[in-house]
Amino acid sequence: KNEVEQSPQNLTAQEGEFITINCSYSVGISALHWLQQHPGGGIVSLFMLSSGKKKHGRLIATINIQEKHSSLHITASHPRDSAVYICAVKEEGSNYQLIWGAGTKLIIKP
Amino acid sequence: NAGVTQTPKFQVLKTGQSMTLQCAQDMNHNSMYWYRQDPGMGLRLIYYSASEGTTDKGEVPNGYNVSRLNKREFSLRLESAAPSQTSVYFCASSTGQGASNYGYTFGSGTRLTVV
Repeated sequence: KNEVEQSPQNLTAQEGEFITINCSYSVGISALHWLQQHPGGGIVSLFMLSSGKKKHGRLIATINIQEKHSSLHITASHPRDSAVYICAVKEEGSNYQLIWGAGTKLIIKP
Repeated sequence: NAGVTQTPKFQVLKTGQSMTLQCAQDMNHNSMYWYRQDPGMGLRLIYYSASEGTTDKGEVPNGYNVSRLNKREFSLRLESAAPSQTSVYFCASSTGQGASNYGYTFGSGTRLTVV
C-alpha cells in the first residue's frame, strides 16, 4: 500500500469549475507539500503545510492532521491550470526524504 | 534570478558510457537534491546534500555518485550508464534544515535516454 495516495488520478473539467484534489497519507508527518508539474515537465512548489489552510491566488490548500488528509482546491479553473498536481509528505523523525504521491493529472477544457 | 539551473536538458548515452549532470542554484540555499522521475511513478530521491560538504544516499542511489562542489553546485554522475537509468532527472534546492519547513525550487529537468 502506498503511504501517500492521491485521488483522482485523472480529472477533466470545464473552465470555471471548482476543482478538488485529495491526498491521504498513512504516516505521521511534520509537513505536507503540494507541487505542480507543467506539461513541459517543470515542477513548482505551491504550498507547504503543517496545519490549517493556506491560500495563494485561486489556489487553496487545507490539511487535517487528525484525519491524515489534505485537499488542494482551485477556484475558477482555467486551461492554464492544466498540469499534474503532486502531494508529498515528510514523515516525522525522518531525514530529508519526502514520500511522494503519484500525482493527479488535471485537464481544464475551454 | 535563474533559480536552479540544470544541464544538459537532453542526453542520449550508450550503455556503459559515463556522464555528469550539472546543477547550480543562485538562491543561497543550504540543501540540494537529485531526483529521478519515471513514467507513472512519483519522484524518487537519489542523493541529497543537507549542506555544503555533506552528501547522503536517498531511496535509489545505486549506480550514481554525487559531489557537492560548493554551496551553489551539486553534480550527479553516472559512471557506467544502464538502460534502467533512462529517466528524467530533477535537481532541487531548499532553504533550511530539513525540507519539511521550506518549499523546494526545482530545475527544469534532464531527459536521459540510455540505449
